[in-house]
Amino acid sequence: DAGITQSPRHKVTETGTPVTLRCHQTENHRYMYWYRQDPGHGLRLIHYSYGVKDTDKGEVSDGYSVSRSKTEDFLLTLESATSSQTSVYFCAISRDRGSYEQYFGPGTRLTVT
Amino acid sequence: DQQVKQNSPSLSVQEGRISILNCDYTNSMFDYFLWYKKYPAEGPTFLISISSIKDKNEDGRFTVFLNKSAKHLSLHIVPSQPGDSAVYFCAASAVGTYKYIFGTGTRLKVLA
Repeated sequence: DAGITQSPRHKVTETGTPVTLRCHQTENHRYMYWYRQDPGHGLRLIHYSYGVKDTDKGEVSDGYSVSRSKTEDFLLTLESATSSQTSVYFCAISRDRGSYEQYFGPGTRLTVT
Repeated sequence: DQQVKQNSPSLSVQEGRISILNCDYTNSMFDYFLWYKKYPAEGPTFLISISSIKDKNEDGRFTVFLNKSAKHLSLHIVPSQPGDSAVYFCAASAVGTYKYIFGTGTRLKVLA
């Protein structure tokens, strides 16, 4: 199994509060991704990183920001959480772009009340 | 605009029979395709992939077929086992991009 951990695994927060989710990898992979999984939508890309301090937006980036100051850590921040951001969040890593599969972390279940 | 579509939300198959999961895509620039399996409360796990230069890739009980002219791929599982019961996602990546587009998933139930 690829060395990917996510923290916290579960979180309940109130509308309007900031939330940061952490993804940590021990594989030294260059590419890291944040997805959300919702019923009827599958997995949708929020943001991704192609190197330290190099990030870009995915399909559903509004309301989210990311940071990557070290190869092993990729942080996802909800600046002001809303109920529509209640979801399961997955981090993924890949060795190189395109023709290399992504490996996923165990997920974080976030509930915004 | 859903570039990768899995039109069957669910599928039930008898143990020992073949399971066929389908995936359609619209972007002709996609050149690499993957299938993932996901159990409840776990992250997706990689199953099998195929490059656009091939039309078939096999790994044990799992075979992926790619029909580029129809923009269609399928995952065959033979024989199906109860442990294969999970949600299956297909994903596609375009040349020169860093990211994958996922379908909405198909829930497979293998009946014992």
